[in-house]
Amino acid sequence: QLQLQESGPGLVKPSETLSLSCTVSGGSISSSTYYWGWVRLPPGKGLEWIATIHYSGTTFSNPSLKSRVTISVDTSNNQFSLKVSSVTAADTAVYYCASFYYSTAGRLDYWGQGTLVTVSS
Amino acid sequence: QSVLTQPPSLSGAPGQRVTITCTGSTSNIGGGYDVHWYQKVPGTAPKLLIHDHENRPSGVPDRFSGSKSGTSASLAITGLQAEDEADYYCQSYDKNVKVVFGGGTKVTVL
Repeated sequence: QLQLQESGPGLVKPSETLSLSCTVSGGSISSSTYYWGWVRLPPGKGLEWIATIHYSGTTFSNPSLKSRVTISVDTSNNQFSLKVSSVTAADTAVYYCASFYYSTAGRLDYWGQGTLVTVSS
Repeated sequence: QSVLTQPPSLSGAPGQRVTITCTGSTSNIGGGYDVHWYQKVPGTAPKLLIHDHENRPSGVPDRFSGSKSGTSASLAITGLQAEDEADYYCQSYDKNVKVVFGGGTKVTVL
């Protein structure tokens, strides 16, 4: 049973870079079974996919965010990370990390508990 | 505007049946991509409810069922219970956008 846990600052200033990490336990991030990704839930809105990565380095990003998003994987620490640059209030959301079963088209069967990131000066 | 369209809200009395639709296009659901459904209760992480159109993970009650036809998919909740009050999201893959979610449907138990 995989467990995922997000970590990172809960408050980011406008125009700065949001940085989050997700630690995976109960399995290897280098498993071919999973891709790893980020989803966010802005207040009062619906779920929005941000980006996905495979341990091999293959990445996919939401076209609406692509120019501002960087996703990376650290196999030695069983972690993957997200950076969103030039943040605005619109980036305020609960950010979830999740496992994507077999591909970026797969189901998200394990989720972190989520971490609220507020963009404010 | 979500690529997958869901009704914003639905309601039903305990014991009734509620059906949530998820309408897409030939770029996603109609293109043969799998549809998955999630239940989102405030303050908790989304929970996988149905995967690959119609399959329930272990532990999900059989009152939840999924189906797909053409460019749409549906989630049915039969024998509605108070604990089913939540937001429900469909998810699929889109040739252009990659991972897409529906806008979510708030189910209220009257």
